[in-house]
Amino acid sequence: GAVVSQHPSRVICKSGTSVKIECRSLDFQATTMFWYRQFPKKSLMLMATSNEGSKATYEQGVEKDKFLINHASLTLSTLTVTSAHPEDSSFYICSAPPLAGGLNEQFFGPGTRLTVL
Amino acid sequence: GNSVTQMEGPVTLSEEAFLTINCTYTATGYPSLFWYVQYPGEGLQLLLKATKADDKGSNKGFEATYRKETTSFHLEKGSVQVSDSAVYFCALRVAGANSKLTFGKGITLSVRP
Repeated sequence: GAVVSQHPSRVICKSGTSVKIECRSLDFQATTMFWYRQFPKKSLMLMATSNEGSKATYEQGVEKDKFLINHASLTLSTLTVTSAHPEDSSFYICSAPPLAGGLNEQFFGPGTRLTVL
Repeated sequence: GNSVTQMEGPVTLSEEAFLTINCTYTATGYPSLFWYVQYPGEGLQLLLKATKADDKGSNKGFEATYRKETTSFHLEKGSVQVSDSAVYFCALRVAGANSKLTFGKGITLSVRP
């Protein structure tokens, strides 16, 4: 099946710094990628939809200035957590449906564990 | 709107026990239904799916049937293994490959030897 990678897999940073997380589709193209946040023992919360060549669409309650999303190409989307604080510590997951759709399926990255000290 | 309701967890079973995890949904339009599994420390993986009423998705001994009349997509396995211990998410998507998934809250399954 299609592969989605995320980098880094885990990151620890100091409060106030910014952290960039990359999401790549390795063997397919995707005009859309989704960013989720997963709290411990909770479901996935969709944060935003990343659109190649245009602005991301954020879900209600998600601060777009804090969670910057850039979809630079058909295989890469980045999420930057700006001025991170301990409450931003979480597991961030991206997913992508293949451009050549029809599969009605999304492929998920392995996730990035962010810990803000 | 669209929503997915899963039974409350966690669930603890002995190896070789029968598993049922309930999932019901509400949706505008005709959804495709999915079960995703998340093993400890890993990302989500698609376990099985069904795209229309009465379809049965199956994989790794797990099955789920798309029941339009009861708006359900219950996950079953006849004999669970310790390696099935994971978090299971029911999800739906309506209309188009790029539309977003709606997830249930997930349920943790622990299988003891």
